[in-house]
Amino acid sequence: ETGVTQSPTHLIKTRGQQVTLRCSSQSGHNTVSWYQQALGQGPQFIFQYYREEENGRGNFPPRFSGLQFPNYSSELNVNALELDDSALYLCASIQGAHDTEAFFGQGTRLTVV
Amino acid sequence: AQSVTQLDSQVPVFEEAPVELRCNYSSSVSVYLFWYVQYPNQGLQLLLKYLSGSTLVESINGFEAEFNKSQTSFHLRKPSVHISDTAEYFCAVSPYGGSQGNLIFGKGTKLSVKP
Repeated sequence: ETGVTQSPTHLIKTRGQQVTLRCSSQSGHNTVSWYQQALGQGPQFIFQYYREEENGRGNFPPRFSGLQFPNYSSELNVNALELDDSALYLCASIQGAHDTEAFFGQGTRLTVV
Repeated sequence: AQSVTQLDSQVPVFEEAPVELRCNYSSSVSVYLFWYVQYPNQGLQLLLKYLSGSTLVESINGFEAEFNKSQTSFHLRKPSVHISDTAEYFCAVSPYGGSQGNLIFGKGTKLSVKP
């Protein structure tokens, strides 16, 4: 039990649609990162938010966007869904931007058809 | 930039046998090193980490990993595995002193422990 929860656990969307995934971090953790884990691959860093500002981004297009809220919750939004967006999406909560342990949620399995 | 290579995608082993999961990394700067475990239909859990100091680090459930700077490796070992160790294991790095939210992961090694 990491204290990080994600919703929904599973989701099916149609190509071209938009989706919002949610994450509730541990209280006091002001940094959240999002990862995409395609089938058979390791997680890939999408972006990180620190105190409600994006402060790092991986190699993902702008249709991947996020928000972080003062109540330690966050969102990952993906517009114009493509089939290749099908993956497990993980959020990770970190107490501070330079703390050395990330606590992961159980993930949201997104299937794009 | 950093990269992580996990040399084995699958490792089958019998219960109570020893196991080694191999991890090599590439980086132009110093890094922190991590092993995460992912059980079926779950997120990632930190197994152990190397930040500095002693190159041998241990987890509470009997795993250990040794940082070898000259070989840029961080192999994970356990002298005697249990059925419950069946999971996927990910090696990861992050830049020393940098943001720990940006972890670079390997592709994972699926450990399958058979009775």
